[in-house]
Amino acid sequence: RKEVEQDPGPFNVPEGATVAFNCTYSNSASQSFFWYRQDCRKEPKLLMSVYSSGNEDGRFTAQLNRASQYISLLIRDSKLSDSATYLCVVKPGGSYIPTFGRGTSLIVHP
Amino acid sequence: SAVISQKPSRDICQRGTSLTIQCQVDSQVTMMFWYRQQPGQSLTLIATANQGSEATYESGFVIDKFPISRPNLTFSTLTVSNMSPEDSSIYLCSVSGGGNQPQHFGDGTRLSIL
Repeated sequence: RKEVEQDPGPFNVPEGATVAFNCTYSNSASQSFFWYRQDCRKEPKLLMSVYSSGNEDGRFTAQLNRASQYISLLIRDSKLSDSATYLCVVKPGGSYIPTFGRGTSLIVHP
Repeated sequence: SAVISQKPSRDICQRGTSLTIQCQVDSQVTMMFWYRQQPGQSLTLIATANQGSEATYESGFVIDKFPISRPNLTFSTLTVSNMSPEDSSIYLCSVSGGGNQPQHFGDGTRLSIL
C-alpha cells in the first residue's frame, strides 16, 4: 500500500462547480498535513495546511479525519484558474521529510 | 516563507555529460532537500543536504551519480552526473522549517537529455 494515495483524476468540472478531493495516508504517526497546488511543469506551491478542526481559506476547505486516516480538499465555485494538480502531503511527527501523493488533476472548463 | 532561487531554470544536455544545479535561499536554513519529479510522477526525494556534513541519500540514489555540496546555510548544489535520457526530469530544491512547517520549493530545473 502506498503511503499517500490520491485519485489521479482528471476531474473535469464546469466553472462554478464544487469539487472534492480525498487523500488517504497509511502512517498513523503522521502529524502534519498539507495541500499543494502544482501547475504544469512548475514547482509545487503550498495551498493550505490542514488542521485537526478543519480550516477554510476563501473557496477552499480542508478537513482531516485521523480515525480514518484521510484528508480532503473542497473547492467551491470553481474557476478556470483552479485547473492544476493538487498534491496531498503528509509529514510524520518530528520529521523534516514529508511524503507526497501523486496528485489529483483538476480541469475546470467554461 | 523563504525565497528559493534555482539555476539554471532549464537545460538540454548531451548524454554522458554532467550538470550542476544551484540553489540559493534568502535566509539561513538547517536542512535543504533535493527532489526529482519525472513526467507524470510525484516528487521523489533524492537527498537531504546538511551544512557541514555529507548529504543523506534516499534509497536508489547514490553520491557518485548525484553529488551534493552544502558549503553554507544558504546555498547548495546538486550535480547530475553522466546523464542519460532517464535523467530527464524536473529537479527541485526545497527547504522546510521542520516540525509541522510546510516544505517550500525553488522554481525547479527542467532537464532534458538527448
